[in-house]
Amino acid sequence: QKEVEQNSGPLSVPEGAIASLNCTYSDRGSQSFFWYRQYSGKSPELIMSIYSNGDKEDGRFTAQLNKASQYVSLLIRDSQPSDSATYLCAVNKAAGNKLTFGGGTRVLVKP
Amino acid sequence: KAGVTQTPRYLIKTRGQQVTLSCSPISGHRSVSWYQQTPGQGLQFLFEYFSETQRNKGNFPGRFSGRQFSNSRSEMNVSTLELGDSALYLCASSWGDSEAFFGQGTRLTVV
Repeated sequence: QKEVEQNSGPLSVPEGAIASLNCTYSDRGSQSFFWYRQYSGKSPELIMSIYSNGDKEDGRFTAQLNKASQYVSLLIRDSQPSDSATYLCAVNKAAGNKLTFGGGTRVLVKP
Repeated sequence: KAGVTQTPRYLIKTRGQQVTLSCSPISGHRSVSWYQQTPGQGLQFLFEYFSETQRNKGNFPGRFSGRQFSNSRSEMNVSTLELGDSALYLCASSWGDSEAFFGQGTRLTVV
């Protein structure tokens, strides 16, 4: 079992719809959780961080964390073609910065 | 505010050679982490430096090493290059145990 798992996709959503991405992790000691967006040929860009159970909203993005069930999700509202990218879930379980990444979910937003 | 700067952007090396990559973190950030990204293995953690000390280490062979200078700039060295070392090498900086911001990466090709 991988430490951080994501559905590889592609997740195809029509423009204006909600894209829902899920991520599960295996280590209950994990403390902080991040979503990165990566366009093809580019480096990952941080879009959300979440540290406690519940929801966190930032613009069109909402991250949800459930530590009891060991999953973290990302909702993208009003999806735009520019949201087409690979979304990486990352988990930090150690003191310091040692991120463990999932394999990423490719999202395709169709006009 | 300048972002994370990595140099060089592209490198072509021959098997058996060694290579040094450089990373300048965001001003004020003291943590620098290095990652390797390949199509097959995804994003994998190499090591993290904080205040010139290696704080975390991933599961890579000893051919991969790094260091951090007093101005927080970091270098990564790979000795005796192998074809499998061809990858995108990413550096990320953090203020503390918090959000990590990535540089543009160095694309290393070993021939």
